[in-house]
Amino acid sequence: DAMVIQNPRYQVTQFGKPVTLSCSQTLNHNVMYWYQQKSSQAPKLLFHYYDKDFNNEADTPDNFQSRRPNTSFCFLDIRSPGLGDTAMYLCATSFSNYGYTFGSGTRLTVV
Amino acid sequence: QKEVEQDPGPLSVPEGAIVSLNCTYSNSAFQYFMWYRQYSRKGPELLMYTYSSGNKEDGRFTAQVDKSSKYISLFIRDSQPSDSATYLCAMSGEGSARQLTFGSGTQLTVLP
Repeated sequence: DAMVIQNPRYQVTQFGKPVTLSCSQTLNHNVMYWYQQKSSQAPKLLFHYYDKDFNNEADTPDNFQSRRPNTSFCFLDIRSPGLGDTAMYLCATSFSNYGYTFGSGTRLTVV
Repeated sequence: QKEVEQDPGPLSVPEGAIVSLNCTYSNSAFQYFMWYRQYSRKGPELLMYTYSSGNKEDGRFTAQVDKSSKYISLFIRDSQPSDSATYLCAMSGEGSARQLTFGSGTQLTVLP
């Protein structure tokens, strides 16, 4: 089945230790998104790639970076995680902003 | 004021009940309205998708959009314990404004 796969499912990292989350898709969608979802809150868009074009939300901290080496893969790098970055990180894809498909998420805990 | 407001619940109902979930919004540019279901520790999955005003039915689920009131609803008939999840409304505009804006979700528990 075509899908969006996120790895790892769970990640524990130390305060200030860089961490990378990965997302891959078999849908051949041209848009890939990263959302942050804290407990009992709405998913918050961090940034997205529309084809190769990177789009950063205005309020996304500089601590968060992303890479998309090819159509299928996208990475979220958190350079110096803080305790407030503990959250579920969701990757999603779409075809030109139509028909979003979400991955199962990576639950990140910063200790 | 948030762009999309959703009652967080939690909402508990007995099996077989009719469930009504609602969202209000402030941005009149929204044209596409969606409901996502999110099970614990999983990503959201698309449940219903509606364009502009009107009703859409799919099995036990009915989505309603009233753009004049900026109000959307999801009805679940004959609710089942497997419907227990968080339900997120989401909406978007046209063209470059097609990024999703989510509500904060309503946590639903259907008791057997």
